[in-house]
Amino acid sequence: AQKVTQAQTEISVVEKEDVTLDCVYETRDTTYYLFWYKQPPSGELVFLIRRNSFDEQNEISGRYSWNFQKSTSSFNFTITASQVVDSAVYFCALSGSSSASKIIFGSGTRLSIRP
Amino acid sequence: ETGVTQTPRHLVMGMTNKKSLKCEQHLGHNAMYWYKQSAKKPLELMFVYNFKEQTENNSVPSRFSPECPNSSHLFLHLHTLQPEDSALYLCASSQDGELFNYGYTFGSGTRLTVV
Repeated sequence: AQKVTQAQTEISVVEKEDVTLDCVYETRDTTYYLFWYKQPPSGELVFLIRRNSFDEQNEISGRYSWNFQKSTSSFNFTITASQVVDSAVYFCALSGSSSASKIIFGSGTRLSIRP
Repeated sequence: ETGVTQTPRHLVMGMTNKKSLKCEQHLGHNAMYWYKQSAKKPLELMFVYNFKEQTENNSVPSRFSPECPNSSHLFLHLHTLQPEDSALYLCASSQDGELFNYGYTFGSGTRLTVV
């Protein structure tokens, strides 16, 4: 069975603080893919990043960075110098080779950035 | 136009009504999905269509009836719904074989309220 756990239901920080969103996954597949999506108040989920299970290099994109650690089955997302526009619900997701075209989502973390 | 368009954005319906949700994608994708997003719950995959053929039905009650007349359009027909069916219904699309490169492209969703 595949599962994605986002233990942090809600996080609130003051603007310009750094914040890390946690994601822990379970899968028996040796080939799998991890995703992060952002859901702003408008509703649509916006694709942020995809990592495959063979690439454990951390990735940085502007103020966003991702830390993938297979040893702990985690794929954490850090926003540096947070801004009010970062306020959204963030979803971590997983798709394994056994699940074909399905993506399994975590329950999401609601991030609020206070001015 | 955005890649995936859902209409209506908001819908209020009585339990005896019949209504339909519409999803249209302009990306040339050949796989389309319906997801249900309830408060504080993970996104639930409802239906998957590949090349207009339904390939997955995740034990969804028969009061939800999907229709995919072509690869660009997806409908969700609703009848005799219950108040607990109130949720955000999200449509997504992907290019078969490229799921792992780009994940899904989501629409903005239809916020459904059953009264």
